[in-house]
Amino acid sequence: EIVMTQSPATLSVSPGDRATLSCRASQSVSSNLAWYQQKPGQAPRLLIYGASARATNIPARFSGSGSGTEFTLTISSLQSEDFAVYYCQQYNNWPPGTFGQGTKVEIK
Amino acid sequence: EVQLVESGGGLIQPGGSLRLSCAASGFTISSNYMSWVRQAAGKGLEWVSLIYSGDNTYYPDYVKGRFTISRDNSKNTLHLQMNRLRAEDTAVYYCAKGRKYSGSYIDYWGLGTLVTVSS
Repeated sequence: EIVMTQSPATLSVSPGDRATLSCRASQSVSSNLAWYQQKPGQAPRLLIYGASARATNIPARFSGSGSGTEFTLTISSLQSEDFAVYYCQQYNNWPPGTFGQGTKVEIK
Repeated sequence: EVQLVESGGGLIQPGGSLRLSCAASGFTISSNYMSWVRQAAGKGLEWVSLIYSGDNTYYPDYVKGRFTISRDNSKNTLHLQMNRLRAEDTAVYYCAKGRKYSGSYIDYWGLGTLVTVSS
């Protein structure tokens, strides 16, 4: 099973600043990687698929990059509604397509 | 508009059974893989089961032999039969729609239903 490791576990960022989240796969997943956002008390929401394609209605301040084993989610200028937990998921080896353990983005 | 509405959660004693349902609208469940993903309080996302490419199913070891996923295409509804429930099965259970017939990401999630296993 492919292990997805996200870092850091918690990221403290001031509103308006840039946030960079990392996701590493234990073996190559090509570009078959998705990012999800989960706010407290809500279901996850798809942000990015194919490592870099934004899902429908996702603001341009969210961008994804990487391939193989190293991936990054960047939020260019954090808004108040962006403070949440972010999960990566590989779907190259499927089923099931493993999730990372999440990165919490909190207000600094 | 795609909607997934879960039902059937609740409080159940250890060893008991529960059946979750997920009513889907805005798409045809037979055309996509469907899944259940759970999340214990304060924890991450964890696969529970998948149904894909017809009636192919996947279960992780921690639910294999206890949980059964099925879909009623005539009612566009997904089910999860959970037997021999354990305290560690306590979580919010999300119904989720795969982007394709198989082997892809999740593009829509339901709001979730809470299952609490406790005496």
